[in-house]
Amino acid sequence: DAGVIQSPRHEVTEMGQEVTLRCKLISGHNSLFWYRQTMMRGLELLIYFNNNVPIDDSGMPEDRFSAKMPNASFSTLKIQPSEPRDSAVYFCASSLAGGRETQYFGPGTRLLVL
Amino acid sequence: AQSVSQHNHHVILSEAASLELGCNYSYGGTVNLFWYVQYPGQHLQLLLKYFSGDPLVKGIKGFEAEFIKSKFSFNLRKPSVQWSDTAEYFCAVNAHSNYQLIWGAGTKLIIKP
Repeated sequence: DAGVIQSPRHEVTEMGQEVTLRCKLISGHNSLFWYRQTMMRGLELLIYFNNNVPIDDSGMPEDRFSAKMPNASFSTLKIQPSEPRDSAVYFCASSLAGGRETQYFGPGTRLLVL
Repeated sequence: AQSVSQHNHHVILSEAASLELGCNYSYGGTVNLFWYVQYPGQHLQLLLKYFSGDPLVKGIKGFEAEFIKSKFSFNLRKPSVQWSDTAEYFCAVNAHSNYQLIWGAGTKLIIKP
């Protein structure tokens, strides 16, 4: 069974460009989490979806960040415009049971904004 | 507010040494407890978890953890580490009434060959 799939795995872009990160959940999971990991701040929860509905977006840094779940198995995280301080590894994770079960992480997208 | 504290940010051991990584949490109710591992350049993987039952939990790769409710602790142990255990280890706690995982800051473990 395939795990969480993320694309792209690496992204290098210039400041001001739009960046779209993609995530495919494990089949049957109904909860989706987007995290950002940096050396300075560690692992931060950006947003949590349950059954396609955003439940908690308090971790989204600012209006430049947006996330969607157009269907039950797929999500996007968009940064527009991107800034150098957005450089980080972005992980998505999926789980069952509204997030109270184990979260399974994708391989991450390593983003570098120049 | 709930929080998770991992006592050591960096631990350096020689191969075959015994390991114990501390994790304490602040929440008075029923919790689910997790240890995740992140090998260099890779994503987080579940090492072990505790939901209920026997407070001594065995995970993959010879790791185990003990939930001590009175101490609000969930320490990770391994009797004899290997060079391949070099990684960052994260403790996380989830209250039964909440979806959110509260993460510790992580402990970087370096095993000297």
